Amino acid sequence: EAQLVESGGGLVQPGDSLRLSCAASGFAFRSYWMTWVRRAPGKGLEWVADIKDDGREKYYVDSVKGRFTISRDNAKNSLYLQMNSLRAEDTAVYYCALLLAGYWGPGTLVTVSS
Amino acid sequence: DIVMTQSPLSLSVTPGEPASISCRSSQSLLNSNGYNSLDWYVLKPGQSPHLLIYLGSNRPTGVPDKFSGSGSGADFTLTISRVEADDVGVYYCLQTLQTPYTFGQGTRLEIK
Repeated sequence: EAQLVESGGGLVQPGDSLRLSCAASGFAFRSYWMTWVRRAPGKGLEWVADIKDDGREKYYVDSVKGRFTISRDNAKNSLYLQMNSLRAEDTAVYYCALLLAGYWGPGTLVTVSS
Repeated sequence: DIVMTQSPLSLSVTPGEPASISCRSSQSLLNSNGYNSLDWYVLKPGQSPHLLIYLGSNRPTGVPDKFSGSGSGADFTLTISRVEADDVGVYYCLQTLQTPYTFGQGTRLEIK
């Protein structure tokens, strides 16, 4: 059974950095594009970033460009999101997802507050 | 960027009655393979998003057949044929034709 599990969330101050991880199992992780999506409190879903199966193509929503970096390690079946210069508006539950198959993790909460 | 507009934004339905949610995109979502790059999700309290419909009208294994997706191009509809109490949640459409992928605002479904 396919499974995605995020980790690394927490409470940080504005300007801090955080690295989210997503451990994948039960499917051929190296064969698929992977995605990060977030949901801010009281708001809707927002696509954040995508990465190609081999890691060579990456795409971001404008609001995180230059601050967030998506990456992956296919040998470890893991997806990452390096988040720098965090802002209050980055506060959200972050999900990793294989959109093609509808697999989502349970999410990890990132809170940016002083 | 492709803008996704859902309506209504909230819906209150009597159990057993049908419900429909509209999703319109600012440009056609028809991809080069002839499919519509439009998915439907439901987000229930305390859960992660659950895929209901992919490529406009396809139901993944395990999704009840009371859920159906229709439409093409820039105009799509999610229909629940008979609403049950367990269907409470927020329903989203998502376009995956081009990045940035964009979601609709969400439609909150309540039970009367």
